[in-house]
Amino acid sequence: GQQLNQSPQSMFIQEGEDVSMNCTSSSIFNTWLWYKQDPGEGPVLLIALYKAGELTSNGRLTAQFGITRKDSFLNISASIPSDVGIYFCAAHKNSGEKYYGGSQGNLIFGKGTKLSVKP
Amino acid sequence: NAGVTQTPKFQVLKTGQSMTLQCAQDMNHNSMYWYRQDPGMGLRLIYYSASEGTTDKGEVPNGYNVSRLNKREFSLRLESAAPSQTSVYFCASTRREKGLYGYTFGSGTRLTVV
Repeated sequence: GQQLNQSPQSMFIQEGEDVSMNCTSSSIFNTWLWYKQDPGEGPVLLIALYKAGELTSNGRLTAQFGITRKDSFLNISASIPSDVGIYFCAAHKNSGEKYYGGSQGNLIFGKGTKLSVKP
Repeated sequence: NAGVTQTPKFQVLKTGQSMTLQCAQDMNHNSMYWYRQDPGMGLRLIYYSASEGTTDKGEVPNGYNVSRLNKREFSLRLESAAPSQTSVYFCASTRREKGLYGYTFGSGTRLTVV
């Protein structure tokens, strides 16, 4: 089945550092999304990408929709302690032009990248 | 602006007991989902309901049943709980149509089966 390979699985950050993570797949998707999950909470949508090559920012976060439509990247600049948590990539075949029903219409998630503060 | 509300937030069950996890959304979304989250496994889809009146199995449906009670509510039932069902359960909802963009998640139910 379709899978999203997210890396790294975990990383430690020091305040002020830039952070990068990515998500790849062998399948083509029409929408890519990035979520963050704080401890004890559900995932919250950070950024949504709808077009191949699109680069979108949300404060210190920047995400890109890969030109091949098979990958996406998330960068966090000048990290701060509240950036810790689990980041999930997610992808979708649906878009403004194309609609897939049934299980093909569901969002697929990566396994997450856990961000922790360097001891 | 409640979004997706899950109850209970925490639950401890004995092996063999049954229980129902409740989920309600107030965003007029037509699709709803149940996920479980285990360490290192990410989010795994248990069941989903693409629209009111329909339910379908996801990746890990064994041991669970669901009911789409109405457009707002989607419940998950464990008929005979097992320790392997110890997990954090998340409900999510979305508009399922062209231009669908992401799921809204509840804050989770932390279930321990002893």
